[in-house]
Parts: sequence; structure tokens; C-alpha cells
Amino acid sequence: GESVGLHLPTLSVQEGDNSIINCAYSNSASDYFIWYKQESGKGPQFIIDIRSNMDKRQGQRVTVLLNKTVKHLSLQIAATQPGDSAVYFCAEIRITGFQKLVFGTGTRLLVSP
Amino acid sequence: SAVISQKPSRDICQRGTSLTIQCQVDSQVTMMFWYRQQPGQSLTLIATANQGSEATYESGFVIDKFPISRPNLTFSTLTVSNLSPEDSSIYLCSVEFSGNTIYFGEGSWLTVV
Repeated sequence: GESVGLHLPTLSVQEGDNSIINCAYSNSASDYFIWYKQESGKGPQFIIDIRSNMDKRQGQRVTVLLNKTVKHLSLQIAATQPGDSAVYFCAEIRITGFQKLVFGTGTRLLVSP
Repeated sequence: SAVISQKPSRDICQRGTSLTIQCQVDSQVTMMFWYRQQPGQSLTLIATANQGSEATYESGFVIDKFPISRPNLTFSTLTVSNLSPEDSSIYLCSVEFSGNTIYFGEGSWLTVV
């Protein structure tokens, strides 16, 4: 069935390194993607989004890349900090009568000082 | 962004009882969503709640178990009925705000004993 999934369940990096979190999606009709950060004990926090008519979008220390050819999404975090340690989810909006957000399985990012 | 408040933030309930979770938003929003996040898992959409209409449930979720109210554009409740230990999860309210962007509350952590 259709799904949004992630390649790596856990990613460990050193402070100051760049982090790349990957996500594969299977619904080519999805036209909007969001990355969320979820810290322990909290709800998902919006990080950055991208529409399907774009292939790159930059925010503060974060960049999202979208490759529609291979249905792949990535989140790049520059100069990773210990405060970036969290679970990161990609999510896609599927238009099926009305909009709903479908989440991937999540990647845990561990940043060592 | 919207400020989303959920009550209770945590609760421990006896099996067979019910818990009603409230979601209050500081802005009027058309679409509100309820998600469940089981321990260590991703988020699964339970239902979409639009003001003035019946909630739309996802496959695997039924109104008898998860009745939802949406009396106005800033408030919704989710009831989890006839609780069992398998209902122990985080229940999250989310809203669509400012054109597609979806924000989440901090969640309601339910433990059923």
C-alpha cells in the first residue's frame, strides 16, 4: 500500500556536523510535504515544508530537498547542536476528498557533544 | 502559528472507563484533526473534525470508540470510550492553519491500568 517511510531509524552525529535525514514516499500525487521535530514528552513541532513544485527550500540551519523523480525527501540540518536531538518525522498531505496528513515512521537523531 | 491547548496533559484511567480530551485553539480554524501516537510509534490519524459536520474517521477507528465533538471553530473534544490497556497512547490534536500548514498541540498522555 501507499506509505511514507524513512530509511534510517536512528542517526548519531557529533555536535557541529551536518545531519541528513531521509524519507521515501510512494504517493506521486502528494503535493505538499512537512518535516516535524518531536522532542521527548512534547507534540510534533513544525520545522519546514515544501510544495511539489519546488525541489529545495531553506530555513534557519535547515534545508529540505525534494526529488520527485525517485519520490525522496530529505532534511539537512547544518551545524547540528545537542538541542537538535529528537525524533524527526516527514509527512505528506494527500488530497483525498479533503486534506489529511500522513506521517512516516520517524528517525531519531542523537547529537553527541 | 496557532496556539493549541490540550487538556488533560496526562491521565491514568481504569479500564472500562472513558476519557474526554479537550482541544482549544486561539484562532478560528476550519479543519481540526485527532491523532494517536502509540509508544515508540509514529502518528496515526484517527479522524478529521470540521465544524458543523460529522467527523470523518479513518480506517480502523469508529465513532462508538472515539466520539468527537466540534461545537465551534476553536474547540473540539475526543472521547476514548471503554478503555483498555491497548488504548494507552498519546492523543494529539492538530489544526490546519495559514494554508496547509498543520500544527499540533502538546498531546494528552493516557495510561490505562
